[in-house]
Amino acid sequence: DAGITQSPRHKVTETGTPVTLRCHQTENHRYMYWYRQDPGHGLRLIHYSYGVKDTDKGEVSDGYSVSRSKTEDFLLTLESATSSQTSVYFCASVGTSKPGELFFGEGSRLTVL
Amino acid sequence: KNEVEQSPQNLTAQEGEFITINCSYSVGISALHWLQQHPGGGIVSLFMLSSGKKKHGRLIATINIQEKHSSLHITASHPRDSAVYICAVGRGSQGNLIFGKGTKLSVKP
Repeated sequence: DAGITQSPRHKVTETGTPVTLRCHQTENHRYMYWYRQDPGHGLRLIHYSYGVKDTDKGEVSDGYSVSRSKTEDFLLTLESATSSQTSVYFCASVGTSKPGELFFGEGSRLTVL
Repeated sequence: KNEVEQSPQNLTAQEGEFITINCSYSVGISALHWLQQHPGGGIVSLFMLSSGKKKHGRLIATINIQEKHSSLHITASHPRDSAVYICAVGRGSQGNLIFGKGTKLSVKP
């Protein structure tokens, strides 16, 4: 398995506070993604990165920003959390030994009160 | 209409039964992925395929590009197969994915 970890795994915060989720991978994968998973929806893409300092918006990017200063780390930031951002967030990366193969982190459950 | 549709949404089976989960899509794709998510757990990639058929243990995935349809089969199902199975389609060599809403499978002993 690719080493891809997320932190924190669980977080409860209040509306209006900033939150940063971290995704760390040890496989030198170039492509990384942040998704959110909500009941009644499939996984939805928030932002993705195709290299250091190269990022782009996904389907549901409003209220989120990302940064990738190193290959191994992809950060997702909620500048001012809202209750609608309560969700489970998954990070993923794309493998290189089998191009296109997906590896997911364990998920981060965020509750915004 | 969603670009990736899975059926059924929920499926209950008895241990030992043969199970089929379907995925239909409406866009051109470079590859199709089948993923597994256990309750409260992370997501694991089962298959990535762009044509034909792949087999891993008791799991078989097929795809018909002309009909824009894929199936995931589980032979001799077991309670540990209980999970949500997610179909996702990729567009482009490293393109973003479009996900189905998942099929929740429960296998009773």
